[in-house]
Amino acid sequence: GAGVSQSPRYKVAKRGQDVALRCDPISGHVSLFWYQQALGQGPEFLTYFQNEAQLDKSGLPSDRFFAERPEGSVSTLKIQRTQQEDSAVYLCASSLASDQPQHFGDGTRLSIL
Amino acid sequence: SQQGEEDPQALSIQEGENATMNCSYKTSINNLQWYRQNSGRGLVHLILIRSNEREKHSGRLRVTLDTSKKSSSLLITASRAADTASYFCAEGRMKTSYDKVIFGPGTSLSVIP
Repeated sequence: GAGVSQSPRYKVAKRGQDVALRCDPISGHVSLFWYQQALGQGPEFLTYFQNEAQLDKSGLPSDRFFAERPEGSVSTLKIQRTQQEDSAVYLCASSLASDQPQHFGDGTRLSIL
Repeated sequence: SQQGEEDPQALSIQEGENATMNCSYKTSINNLQWYRQNSGRGLVHLILIRSNEREKHSGRLRVTLDTSKKSSSLLITASRAADTASYFCAEGRMKTSYDKVIFGPGTSLSVIP
């Protein structure tokens, strides 16, 4: 069955480059979450979409981070002028509603050199 | 940090033994969720327990919730080597327009065959 798909699985970029991370949620899922996970830590909330509306972006670390979900399905997380501290695993999750269990993709491991 | 705490941070047991992980949280919640994460993969939802529930079972898993103590526990009975993973509790907090989920730092479980 189709789960949450994230691409690329691994991304290596030089400091200062822009990157774009893609998330394909489960079809019909209204809610979409982005998280950042450092090694050995729990996922940290970045942003939340309900359909195409970005209801909460309070977790985005800086204005270099931008997320969109223009048609209420696929979402992209963009990081501009990457810094070494941006190195982490970025996880996407979708759910039928925000109070329902979340289904996670396997994440994108981002390494900034 | 707004995260709660989990203990122990790491747990090593023999196959067949029971494993208990505890989670404490700081604010009022709508629900408390438990997730599992294998190395290099996304999180997988295990159990969701609502704030008006005290105990829930799913197969070999048993979750309790004590809202007066702001704590929850996950019990895995008759553990197997395949249960080796990181386990996270996550607080479902009601916001104005959606339920925000805050993950704890996790417990790393090793089950020795």
